[in-house]
Amino acid sequence: AQKVTQAQTEISVVEKEDVTLDCVYETRDTTYYLFWYKQPPSGELVFLIRRNSFDEQNEISGRYSWNFQKSTSSFNFTITASQVVDSAVYFCALKARTGANSKLTFGKGITLSVRP
Amino acid sequence: GAGVSQSPSNKVTEKGKDVELRCDPISGHTALYWYRQSLGQGLEFLIYFQGNSAPDKSGLPSDRFSAERTGGSVSTLTIQRTQQEDSAVYLCASSLVGTSYTFGPGTRLTVL
Repeated sequence: AQKVTQAQTEISVVEKEDVTLDCVYETRDTTYYLFWYKQPPSGELVFLIRRNSFDEQNEISGRYSWNFQKSTSSFNFTITASQVVDSAVYFCALKARTGANSKLTFGKGITLSVRP
Repeated sequence: GAGVSQSPSNKVTEKGKDVELRCDPISGHTALYWYRQSLGQGLEFLIYFQGNSAPDKSGLPSDRFSAERTGGSVSTLTIQRTQQEDSAVYLCASSLVGTSYTFGPGTRLTVL
């Protein structure tokens, strides 16, 4: 069985603060993908990143960075110098890399509010 | 179109009525998924199509829910005898095998 835990439910920060969103996962699969999606108030899910379980390199994209640690089964997401436009619900998700069971398993999401 | 489209965007129905929700995936995407998002909840998997077949229907909550996909393209999710607990946003996503999912804007279903 696969499980994604996002223990933080709501985070509120002031603009320009850094914020880290935690994600812990469980899977018996040896190969898998991890994802982060953003859901702004408009409601549409926006893809942010996909990480292959073979690749433990951290990734940085502008103000966003991701820290994948297989040893702790975590895939945390950091926003540097947060902005009001970052306010959204953020979902972490897990997918087995192969097999007929190709669904994404989502965490419950973290609501991030960035105050001006 | 360039993205996944869903119709209708909003649907209000009375308890006991049947509803059909439509998903148009990105052209060429072989995989199609339906998810449900209830208020304040995460995304709950419903069903996955590869082509026209559904290898995984494990998330359909009851036999009132069914889905089909035709021509490897459009999919319809049907809910029979709707109940108030069916109220949610129903999201569709599509992908090519091994790539990331693209989600549609969702259909907000309200059962009165």
